[in-house]
Amino acid sequence: AQSVTQLGSHVSVSEGALVLLRCNYSSSVPPYLFWYVQYPNQGLQLLLKYTSAATLVKGINGFEAEFKKSETSFHLTKPSAHMSDAAEYFCAVSDRGSQGNLIFGKGTKLSVKP
Amino acid sequence: GAGVSQSPRYKVAKRGQDVALRCDPISGHVSLFWYQQALGQGPEFLTYFQNEAQLDKSGLPSDRFFAERPEGSVSTLKIQRTQQEDSAVYLCASSLRNRGSAGELFFGEGSRLTVL
Repeated sequence: AQSVTQLGSHVSVSEGALVLLRCNYSSSVPPYLFWYVQYPNQGLQLLLKYTSAATLVKGINGFEAEFKKSETSFHLTKPSAHMSDAAEYFCAVSDRGSQGNLIFGKGTKLSVKP
Repeated sequence: GAGVSQSPRYKVAKRGQDVALRCDPISGHVSLFWYQQALGQGPEFLTYFQNEAQLDKSGLPSDRFFAERPEGSVSTLKIQRTQQEDSAVYLCASSLRNRGSAGELFFGEGSRLTVL
């Protein structure tokens, strides 16, 4: 069965610093991969997705993620954190050919210090 | 609005009560999903509809949970005889595409259920 591991339930960075949120998946066949962001009391919003085109995927708000098959990873990065980036981030995976159901990691809460 | 709408946003129930949570997906979206998000956890899949057909209910935790989408649009998640462990945020998501695609899921803001 598919699974997703997000390393670090809580990450804290200073404003302007690099953001790196880690995600590893388990699958013998490269799946579809997603990053979602959840602001307090709001629904999940898609940041970016990987579907087998370019391995470096650019998303909204300056975020990007790189698919590395050899490492089964899909880490999320942003060169310079803003205060508005403080939120919870979820990595998710779905099987190709599936109904489109997403399997989520447990999430990483990002705090940004002034 | 144009997004996924869920109601009620907050529900407090006494243990043993029945509750019904409603989801209005984006118009024209074929696929509809329900997820359960416990405090401090990621969303976990409950059930999936393609139009009015419930194609997967493998994530429903017990027979107290029931979902329907009779006309292929609005969906209702019903929980009978609520228990404290049912306390969670229930998320609804819809997608334009069918099986096998990498279509984006659009999420509602969720219904937060607290069982006392």
